[in-house]
Amino acid sequence: TQLLEQSPQFLSIQEGENLTVYCNSSSVFSSLQWYRQEPGEGPVLLVTVVTGGEVKKLKRLTFQFGDARKDSSLHITAAQPGDTGLYLCAGEAQYGKLTFGQGTILTVHP
Amino acid sequence: NAGVTQTPKFRVLKTGQSMTLLCAQDMNHEYMYWYRQDPGMGLRLIHYSVGEGTTAKGEVPDGYNVSRLKKQNFLLGLESAAPSQTSVYFCASSRAGGSYEQYFGPGTRLTVT
Repeated sequence: TQLLEQSPQFLSIQEGENLTVYCNSSSVFSSLQWYRQEPGEGPVLLVTVVTGGEVKKLKRLTFQFGDARKDSSLHITAAQPGDTGLYLCAGEAQYGKLTFGQGTILTVHP
Repeated sequence: NAGVTQTPKFRVLKTGQSMTLLCAQDMNHEYMYWYRQDPGMGLRLIHYSVGEGTTAKGEVPDGYNVSRLKKQNFLLGLESAAPSQTSVYFCASSRAGGSYEQYFGPGTRLTVT
């Protein structure tokens, strides 16, 4: 069974601060996806990283895939209250089957 | 273009009752999935389907059955509900190939008393 350890589980910060969420595994993944989920809704895909060492930027969000394709990180610069939500990483290893991390609940206070 | 829809949105069952959750997608996706989400445990795959007429077990399949009679629909059944099946259920779909990026429905909140 492949596991994805996501940390931290909870993050409460002030508007304008920076933060990083980590996603680690002992398994290699073909790709790693990051989703954001708001209360009462389903997860929405933010980004997919495929190549080891890949870095993708989405406005104030920076996603990195580890060289060995076993880990990933999400860095948010100058967090805003609108960034509040549950962030989920998910590794794809075989034919569309995703393994999800436990999630990080981010709260950004004005 | 509605994407992925799920019915019902909420349901309360008594132990031993049965029910079926319906998922529909209008993106012509080959793959469909059922997950359950519990606090602190992320999303866990129950069953999935790689095409019409085919289904396979995921990580936590016990107590659930599925059917994919039409490409656009994926049904999740609980034959005899148990309190341990109280959860939020999400359906998702994806294209076949590439990175299998998944599109999720809004979820069904099920409570079993």
